Order: sequence, then structure tokens, then C-alpha cells
Amino acid sequence: DAGVIQSPRHEVTEMGQEVTLRCKPISGHDYLFWYRQTMMRGLELLIYFNNNVPIDDSGMPEDRFSAKMPNASFSTLKIQPSEPRDSAVYFCASSLGGGGITDTQYFGPGTRLTVL
Amino acid sequence: TQLLEQSPQFLSIQEGENLTVYCNSSSVFSSLQWYRQEPGEGPVLLVTVVTGGEVKKLKRLTFQFGDARKDSSLHITAAQPGDTGLYLCAGAGNDYKLSFGAGTTVTVRA
Repeated sequence: DAGVIQSPRHEVTEMGQEVTLRCKPISGHDYLFWYRQTMMRGLELLIYFNNNVPIDDSGMPEDRFSAKMPNASFSTLKIQPSEPRDSAVYFCASSLGGGGITDTQYFGPGTRLTVL
Repeated sequence: TQLLEQSPQFLSIQEGENLTVYCNSSSVFSSLQWYRQEPGEGPVLLVTVVTGGEVKKLKRLTFQFGDARKDSSLHITAAQPGDTGLYLCAGAGNDYKLSFGAGTTVTVRA
């Protein structure tokens, strides 16, 4: 399997612009997670989906952030409008199940976002 | 949010030396995981510990979960340059959400 695929790998944009990050989870995985990693705050869970349905979005920082999962093989994280403090590496992860506490999350390579 | 504190923040050692990384919290976790992350890549799971007092070994890496399931340690014996990376611990509560520590950056010099 190709693993979790994220695009783009790097994104540089100007403040106020809309940014869309994309993720393709591992085929057959029922859970999808979006994380953000910064030097100051480390790795934070933003939102996760089960069978394409958002389960917990309590980590989404503001209304400027939104995430969708229209089907089992695709998810997007959108920031509109973007701000410099959104600069971070955004990771997508997927897992086979969610009920077991030992389920493994497989992370994608991340998208490095820079907002000028 | 359950907070996990990792120490030390940075660790630089010579090849062949041993090292230990600690992960502590005031909260009890259902399970605790250790990840290694290399530059430009996502974290990769190394191990999951579930039972208080549990010890798991993965070649030269030894992981221990505290008896009270609030803390954990990662010990590397005879470190090699390939062990260089960011080591993250992550705890899971009764829900499925992982809380990550800030990480320990390990550098092993040849």
C-alpha cells in the first residue's frame, strides 16, 4: 500500500487567502485524523472522522478552519481566510479501527504551510 | 486535555552510549504510545503499552509503562546514528483521542 498520501507537500500563501489541504487515507481504514504540529504547541489533534462522519472537532482552532470527508478515500482541511499564525505542518493519519486503544495510526508525510 | 511532559527536550550522545527519555503526566492513560519522527516525515509508531508495569523490548529499545499508568520511559542501548530523530509519547484516555508530548530530539553522533 502507498500509505497515507497528502498534497501539497509545501504550500506558501499570503494572509487572507484560502488554503486547502488534501489527504487520501490508507484503503480500508475507517478512521481519519487531522493534526497540526508547531514548535510552540507540538502535535495537536484538530478533528477526526469515522466512516466519513466527523466525530470530534473540538481541536479545530477557529471557524476559519473546516474539514470534510466526502468519501472514504478523500478528505480536505480548509483554512479561510488564512493567517500567519496558521503556519505549521499539518498531518493526516488513518487507522483501521477506533474502538481499540491499541489501534495504530499511520501518518502521512505532512503539508508544510507558510502564511506570509 | 491530558498533558504529557517529556524530558529531556534535547539529547545529544555519542554512538554506543545509552539514553533514556521520560514521559510523565498527572493523568491516568488507557494506553501509551511511543513514536519516532524524522525530518520531513510523519511520526511512526514504535510501540503501544497498555498494562501498568508493562515492559516491551524492540531490539535495542526498551519501553516501560509505570505501575499507575501515568508515566513511561524509553531506553535505548548502544545508540546508533540511525536512532536520531524526534521521539514522541502519546497517551490515550477512554476516548480515542491521543494527546502528544512535546517530544525529545535525540542526536546520536558517529
